[in-house]
Amino acid sequence: QKEVEQDPGPLSVPEGAIVSLNCTYSNSAFQYFMWYRQYSRKGPELLMYTYSSGNKEDGRFTAQVDKSSKYISLFIRDSQPSDSATYLCAMRGRAGGTSYGKLTFGQGTILTVHP
Amino acid sequence: EPEVTQTPSHQVTQMGQEVILRCVPISNHLYFYWYRQILGQKVEFLVSFYNNEISEKSEIFDDQFSVERPDGSNFTLKIRSTKLEDSAMYFCASSLTGTSGTDTQYFGPGTRLTVL
Repeated sequence: QKEVEQDPGPLSVPEGAIVSLNCTYSNSAFQYFMWYRQYSRKGPELLMYTYSSGNKEDGRFTAQVDKSSKYISLFIRDSQPSDSATYLCAMRGRAGGTSYGKLTFGQGTILTVHP
Repeated sequence: EPEVTQTPSHQVTQMGQEVILRCVPISNHLYFYWYRQILGQKVEFLVSFYNNEISEKSEIFDDQFSVERPDGSNFTLKIRSTKLEDSAMYFCASSLTGTSGTDTQYFGPGTRLTVL
């Protein structure tokens, strides 16, 4: 089983739609969960960061973590064409652990929001 | 806003040649990282670096790879004898401390390495 699994899509939605992106993971050592956005030919850019189970909201974006199910989600409300990008989930272990700094990424989901 | 920069943006080399990829991390950051992304695949961790030492490395980071911080601003990744399978996008990242749970890694735009 892969450490982090993410459906690569591609996902195509109309402008204004609610987008749901998901990742599952198998490593219980992961404690910190991130969503990065990557535009074509650019480096990953941090969107959201969560630690505990539950929801975290930032504008149109909501990150959700369910540690019991080893499942994380990113919701995008009122999606815009400018949201078109690849969305990467990433995670890492606890401070002081053996793999603290290392980020483990999902495959990335390609999202297109069409006008 | 401070950003991580990388040069060159695209490097083409012949198999067996040495390449050096360069990065300028954000100026007050202390932890530095290299990741790579083979076309169509995941972003993969290569190495982390702190206080002039490697903190952690992946199994990909074998003896053909080395990292260095030659001065106060640059961070380099050297591949001694490139192979076809080294063709990928290489990303440099930096973070302020590396020891806080909320520490964020900021990524550069990447160097596309093509090995012929």
